[in-house]
Parts: sequence; C-alpha cells; structure tokens
Amino acid sequence: QKEVEQDPGPLSVPEGAIVSLNCTYSNSAFQYFMWYRQYSRKGPELLMYTYSSGNKEDGRFTAQVDKSSKYISLFIRDSQPSDSATYLCAMSDTGGFKTIFGAGTRLFVKA
Amino acid sequence: EAGVAQSPRYKIIEKRQSVAFWCNPISGHATLYWYQQILGQGPKLLIQFQNNGVVDDSQLPKDRFSAERLKGVDSTLKIQPAKLEDSAVYLCASSLAGGAGYEQYFGPGTRLTVT
Repeated sequence: QKEVEQDPGPLSVPEGAIVSLNCTYSNSAFQYFMWYRQYSRKGPELLMYTYSSGNKEDGRFTAQVDKSSKYISLFIRDSQPSDSATYLCAMSDTGGFKTIFGAGTRLFVKA
Repeated sequence: EAGVAQSPRYKIIEKRQSVAFWCNPISGHATLYWYQQILGQGPKLLIQFQNNGVVDDSQLPKDRFSAERLKGVDSTLKIQPAKLEDSAVYLCASSLAGGAGYEQYFGPGTRLTVT
C-alpha cells in the first residue's frame, strides 16, 4: 500500500464548476498537508498548506483535512481554464522533515 | 526574490554516458532537495541537504547517482552511467529550514532523456 494515494484522472469540468480533488494516506505521523499545482513543463508551485485537521481558504481554493479518515481534499470554486494543470497533494511529518507526494491529478477546465 | 534556478533545462544523452545537473536555491534557504519525477508520477525524493550535510539519501541509487552541496549553497546532481530508466524530470527544491518541508519552492526542472 502506498503512503499517499491520489486518483490520476484526468478530470474534465466546464468553466465555472466546483472541482473536488482528493487524497488518502496511511501514515498517521503526517501533520502537514500541502497542495501543489504543476503546469506542463514547469516545477510544482505551492498553493497552500494546512497543519493538522480543519479547513483553510485562500481565494477560490479551500483545503480540508480529515485526520480521522486520513483523507484530504482541495476544492476549487468558479474554476477557470487557467486552472488546468496537475494538482499534487503532499504530506509532511510533525517536524516537517519527511515529505511524500501523491501521483497528481490532471485537471482540464473547458471554456 | 529570485526563485530556484536549475540548468540545463533539457538534456539528451545515450545510455552509459554521464550527466550533471546544477541547482541554485533561494537565497537564505538552508535545505535543498533533489527529486526525480517520472512521467505520470509525483516527485520522489532522491536526496535532502541541510546546509552542506546530507539529511536523507535513502532513495538515491548510490551506485550511479551522486550529489554534493559545497559551501551550503548551490548543488550538483550527477548520474554515471545513465540507464534508460533514468529518463525523467529532475527537480530541485529549497525550503527555509529542514523543519519547513511543508513549504518547498521548486525550480523549473531538468528534463533528461536517455536513449
């Protein structure tokens, strides 16, 4: 079993839709939960990170962490064609020393 | 603030040849990471430096891969000899400190093709 599982997609949605991206994990030592966006032929870009459980909102993006279910989500409201990219979830342990990435979900937002 | 710099951006070599990649992290960032990203997969950590010391190189194929970070600033990753399965994007990232692994900044990557 992989430490982090992420559906690779692709996920195709119309412009303006609400997008839900998800990851599950198995290691209860993870305390930091991150979402990165990666455009084609670019390096990953940190969107946001959350510590422990709860929600965090940044503009059109909302990250949710449910540690009891070992399940994290990223919601994108009012999706735009410019949101078309691969979204990687990642997790770090308490000290932030060990980081594991998911395989990424490819998202296409159609105009 | 300048981002993480990497060079070259693209490299094509034949198997059994050697290749080297260079990375310059964000100024002041003590921790530097090298990742390998195979097409369709997430980044896999190869080696992590804290200043000029190695923190984690458990997934580095040491029979062919080597890395150094002299003076605790820029770093080089070398592959010698290369195999076909080394074809991937090699990403360099940096963070303020080892305990800030939740906030890593990535460079554009070097796309390696081994023929």
